[in-house]
Amino acid sequence: GAVVSQHPSWVICKSGTSVKIECRSLDFQATTMFWYRQFPKQSLMLMATSNEGSKATYEQGVEKDKFLINHASLTLSTLTVTSAHPEDSSFYICSAPWTGFGETQYFGPGTRLLVL
Amino acid sequence: GENVEQHPSTLSVQEGDSAVIKCTYSDSASNYFPWYKQELGKGPQLIIDIRSNVGEKKDQRIAVTLNKTAKHFSLHITETQPEDSAVYFCAASILTGGGNKLTFGTGTQLKVEL
Repeated sequence: GAVVSQHPSWVICKSGTSVKIECRSLDFQATTMFWYRQFPKQSLMLMATSNEGSKATYEQGVEKDKFLINHASLTLSTLTVTSAHPEDSSFYICSAPWTGFGETQYFGPGTRLLVL
Repeated sequence: GENVEQHPSTLSVQEGDSAVIKCTYSDSASNYFPWYKQELGKGPQLIIDIRSNVGEKKDQRIAVTLNKTAKHFSLHITETQPEDSAVYFCAASILTGGGNKLTFGTGTQLKVEL
């Protein structure tokens, strides 16, 4: 099956610093990837759609200058949380649709971010 | 936009019993309905999905049913085991051929007790 990886799996940073999270599709190409945010005991909330070779599209209420997305290749998308603050602490998860299997979406293992 | 409601929010069953989780969606154009299992601290794992051209799909102990007219779909787990304990999310989307945005339900915490 399709595998999506994320790095790092967890990160602790000081308030005001920037953090980059990588999402990779390991055995398939993904022209589109999705970034979600999940708070404890809540559902997944879509933040943005990452498009290879073009700008990401953000969901309403998500600050594009705060959450920078770069989809540099067909297997890699990155999410950078800029000037992180404690309220940005969350579980960030990416997904990629495997178009070779009817657009089934496969999720990464998630990245736990804690901003002190 | 699409809105997905999911019930119940928590479900406790005895090992060996069946568990049923129900979801309703609002957008009649939605045609793809996956179910994900999420264990604590991990990403969601696809367990089964169904497209709108079928009414039921089964994979061993797991089955999903879809009623397009009523716009609801359900997950059925039979012969539950302790390892089935997790949070389950339903989702709905419209297949576009290039990457479909999923709208998730609020999740169901399933606990299988010995």
